[in-house]
Amino acid sequence: EVQVLESGGGLVQPGGSLRLSCAASGFPFVNYAMNWVRQAPGKGLEWVSLISGSGAGTKYADSVKGRFTISRDNSKNMVYLQMNSLRVDDTAMYYCAKSDCNSDSCYTKDYWGQGTLVTVSS
Amino acid sequence: DIQMTQSPSSLSASVGDRVTITCRASQTIGNYLNWYQQRPGKAPNLLIYTASSLQNGVPSRFSGSGSGTDFTLNISGLQPDDFATYYCQQSYSSPDTFGQGTKLEIK
Repeated sequence: EVQVLESGGGLVQPGGSLRLSCAASGFPFVNYAMNWVRQAPGKGLEWVSLISGSGAGTKYADSVKGRFTISRDNSKNMVYLQMNSLRVDDTAMYYCAKSDCNSDSCYTKDYWGQGTLVTVSS
Repeated sequence: DIQMTQSPSSLSASVGDRVTITCRASQTIGNYLNWYQQRPGKAPNLLIYTASSLQNGVPSRFSGSGSGTDFTLNISGLQPDDFATYYCQQSYSSPDTFGQGTKLEIK
């Protein structure tokens, strides 16, 4: 059974940093790209970042480029999102989601975790 | 970026009804269109991929169609579990983008 579990959310002040983690199981992890998608309170879904199965390819939404860094550790079946220079408008539920294929052009997300809440506030 | 526009934004229906949700892309995306369901307080769940293919485990009362710029999600014989928010997403190019969502409520 595919499982995806996020952790690391919390309250942080504007300008601060936070690292989200995502533990995956139930599938050959190295064979699939992984994503972070966020949802501000009461709003819709916004893709944030993607990393290919090998980790060699990464992509970012313009809204986070230069502030967020996605990475993965295939030996531990983990994905990370390092978030720096956080802003109030980064407040959202952050979901980790598995892509349905391996490359950094795999945009269909077939399994999602339950999310971790990030609140940026003074 | 490709803009995805869903209609209606909200919809009231009764158990047993058939409903249709539409999604329009700002440029042609072939059949690179997915539909997700999100129940309140839960994560999104993939229902349909490449416009018309049913994800494993999704009931056959869900169906999708369309290509190019115009797509539809149909739900026949609405069940209580189907009252949720539905999102379309284009998987044609980066950044992949979602529609604003359609909230399906019980009449």
